[in-house]
Amino acid sequence: AQSVSQHNHHVILSEAASLELGCNYSYGGTVNLFWYVQYPGQHLQLLLKYFSGDPLVKGIKGFEAEFIKSKFSFNLRKPSVQWSDTAEYFCAGGSNTDKLIFGTGTRLQVFP
Amino acid sequence: DGGITQSPKYLFRKEGQNVTLSCEQNLNHDAMYWYRQDPGQGLRLIYYSQIVNDFQKGDIAEGYSVSREKKESFPLTVTSAQKNPTAFYLCASSPRVDQPQHFGDGTRLSIL
Repeated sequence: AQSVSQHNHHVILSEAASLELGCNYSYGGTVNLFWYVQYPGQHLQLLLKYFSGDPLVKGIKGFEAEFIKSKFSFNLRKPSVQWSDTAEYFCAGGSNTDKLIFGTGTRLQVFP
Repeated sequence: DGGITQSPKYLFRKEGQNVTLSCEQNLNHDAMYWYRQDPGQGLRLIYYSQIVNDFQKGDIAEGYSVSREKKESFPLTVTSAQKNPTAFYLCASSPRVDQPQHFGDGTRLSIL
């Protein structure tokens, strides 16, 4: 069955630390992958997306993600987090013909 | 500005009553979605619609119903059959089902 897994449920970091949030997918065929962010009290918004091409995708606010087909992964990274990155992060995946499947989310807390 | 409007933001209902949550979009998107967000469970798909007058069940459709009579509108009814309706409900839309989704601000439903 198609699935998207996020293994880090809650991550706590200090400002300036590096971030990597894991996302693994289980799909047959072509897959489109996304990261969404939900800041406290705000709606979900798209951070970045991968459809094809360069496996290293750059998004907003200094985030990037790398599609590694051999590992079925699409991990989210940021070299140096800020307090304002405190939010919940969702990985999502889908095929060209089907709806997205969301992971269970990772709550990131960044302390000054 | 184009976007998705969910109303109301907070909704309280007595047990046993049906309640309808509104979702309107002016983005001219074909696809619309309803998710339920519970702590630690991420986003779970209730229903989605790829086009007017058509909709499909998601992963947790029991106790919910939808209609898609207009492109702009995708209301969700939480029926008395839904055993645990207290939750945060998110509506989303996308140009097509495989495209990034735009989210509304959500409706928090509490059953008294």
